Amino acid sequence: SNSVKQTGQITVSEGASVTMNCTYTSTGYPTLFWYVEYPSKPLQLLQRETMENSKNFGGGNIKDKNSPIVKYSVQVSDSAVYYCLLGVCVKEEGAQKLVFGQGTRLTINP
Amino acid sequence: NAGVTQTPKFQVLKTGQSMTLQCAQDMNHNSMYWYRQDPGMGLRLIYYSASEGTTDKGEVPNGYNVSRLNKREFSLRLESAAPSQTSVYFCASSEAFGQGEPSVNEQFFGPGTRLTVL
Repeated sequence: SNSVKQTGQITVSEGASVTMNCTYTSTGYPTLFWYVEYPSKPLQLLQRETMENSKNFGGGNIKDKNSPIVKYSVQVSDSAVYYCLLGVCVKEEGAQKLVFGQGTRLTINP
Repeated sequence: NAGVTQTPKFQVLKTGQSMTLQCAQDMNHNSMYWYRQDPGMGLRLIYYSASEGTTDKGEVPNGYNVSRLNKREFSLRLESAAPSQTSVYFCASSEAFGQGEPSVNEQFFGPGTRLTVL
């Protein structure tokens, strides 16, 4: 089945670099999205990774692959919840499977 | 462009009451989605509509119904609300997936509806 795991919480100081991991298992060709959620605002897309723009993908049926996002020199304003979304296109069904991770709460201390 | 809009922003219901959450998009997207967001669980797909005239169940469809009224609008109905349906509900829209590459398009999200069922 398709699944996504993320680290629950990360706290760092301003100016640091942060890597947030997204470990997924996919039964088909995956598309990976990173979204950020700021309080009282809609989710915003940060990054989209497909077979076209990544060397990570060897094809379908992927197990426990990591698709991280890196933020450099973080600021207090980067404090938010970051979500990873796995999309799997099931063409024979004419459908998409969409699975979110539980989110990583990033806290930046001044 | 307003993007994806949702009404209402907040709602409090009593157990057993019914209500409809409204969603509209002005980006001419074919596909629309309803998610619920619960602490520690991320967003989970309730229903989606790949194109006008079609709807399909997602991961957590029980207790909900949907209507794709036209290309712009996709509503979510709770017929008999339960406390377990207390959540934040997000609507999203996207282009239909491409015909060539087996990739999934970006989803654009609305601001959410915070629903409390007492």
